[in-house]
This record gives sequence, C-alpha cells and structure tokens, in this order.
Amino acid sequence: GNSVTQMEGPVTLSEEAFLTINCTYTATGYPSLFWYVQYPGEGLQLLLKATKADDKGSNKGFEATYRKETTSFHLEKGSVQVSDSAVYFCALSDSYAGGTSYGKLTFGQGTILTVHP
Amino acid sequence: GAVVSQHPSWVICKSGTSVKIECRSLDFQATTMFWYRQFPKQSLMLMATSNEGSKATYEQGVEKDKFLINHASLTLSTLTVTSAHPEDSSFYICSASKGTGDPGDEQYFGPGTRLTVT
Repeated sequence: GNSVTQMEGPVTLSEEAFLTINCTYTATGYPSLFWYVQYPGEGLQLLLKATKADDKGSNKGFEATYRKETTSFHLEKGSVQVSDSAVYFCALSDSYAGGTSYGKLTFGQGTILTVHP
Repeated sequence: GAVVSQHPSWVICKSGTSVKIECRSLDFQATTMFWYRQFPKQSLMLMATSNEGSKATYEQGVEKDKFLINHASLTLSTLTVTSAHPEDSSFYICSASKGTGDPGDEQYFGPGTRLTVT
C-alpha cells in the first residue's frame, strides 16, 4: 500500500535559520506529492505540490523537488520566520487507477515546527 | 476562494447519542468530499470518500453503520456518528475537491470538529 514517512519532530529553529523537513514515500503508481501546513487553530492549507518527477513546487519561500529515484519530496526554506511555526504534513495522491487508492490523500505523521525570534 | 466550513467546531455529547457534523463548501461546488479523523499528535486518517448523489466509499476498518455519510448536494456533506462512545472522541476534518478526485486535484480542508463523548 501507499505510505508517507516524515522526519520526526518537533523541530525548533531560530529565526532566519535554514529548514529541511524530510519526506519519503512508497506508492503503487505515479503519485502527485503535496505539502500541507496547519497553522494553530486553522485547517490544513496546501503549501505546494508537484505532479511528476523532477517537478519543483514552491510557495512562500518554501520549495520541494519530486525525486523519483530516491522517492523523496523534502521541504526546504532558506530563512524561516516566526510566522512559519505550524504543523507540516507531507502527502501523496496515487494515480494508479486500478487500485482502490486512486485520488485519495495519504498523509505523513506531521512535523511540528517552532521558530523562535 | 475555495473555503470549506465545518459545524459545529466542537461538540460534547453523552455516550449512546448521535452527533451530526456538517461540512460545506462556501464558494465552490465540491464534486468529491473526504472525511478524516485525526488523533492527538498523529496524522490524518481517511475515513471515507463521498461523491454527490452516491453512496460513500469507506476505508477498510471504518464502520459504515456507525459513521453515516451523506453528500446531498454539491456544497454539503454530513457525517453522523451514531451511538457515540468515548472511543469515538476525536478531531474530525472534512475536505472538498472541485474535481473528480484526480491525483493532482487540490483538496480544501475545513477547520475541523472536536468531538468529545462523555
């Protein structure tokens, strides 16, 4: 079956530090990959996505590249801000139409990020 | 655009009673809606997928008679937890998709409903 593994948290950084949150996946077909963010008290929001190998998703200074050879989609940001404190979820949506998981999101366990001034 | 609301945001009910949670897409038509359950400090677990006008598809291990899902219109889906017990206490989250559930479709998430069963 499909699965997503994220690096264990929580992650605590100082403002302007470099951020990496690792994400690896297993999937039956050719999945689309997503990073969702959940700010305190709010619902999940799409941060960025990539739908095929070597695509790079980017938004709000965050980037992630779809690496099929390493089945990874690591999230990076060069300089984090206090306002980036949130829970980050890596997810995949499988494209294998013959299976029962077509179009459904499979989430990683989430990584809590706290950024201090 | 693409706002999803849930009501109520939190609810406390007594064991044995039923609770209904509403999920609405406010500014778009949602062909597909999803219901998730999130335990403390854990990931989201997909419970079921519903398409407007048809029966929901439940994930393995989810009791369809306990968690009744109705997707009556393109803007409303409801989850009813029947005969609730303390172990049903959780955070329930819905999401909605404008498309047909294709892998690249974005899902728009509601803010969640905290259910506590006493």
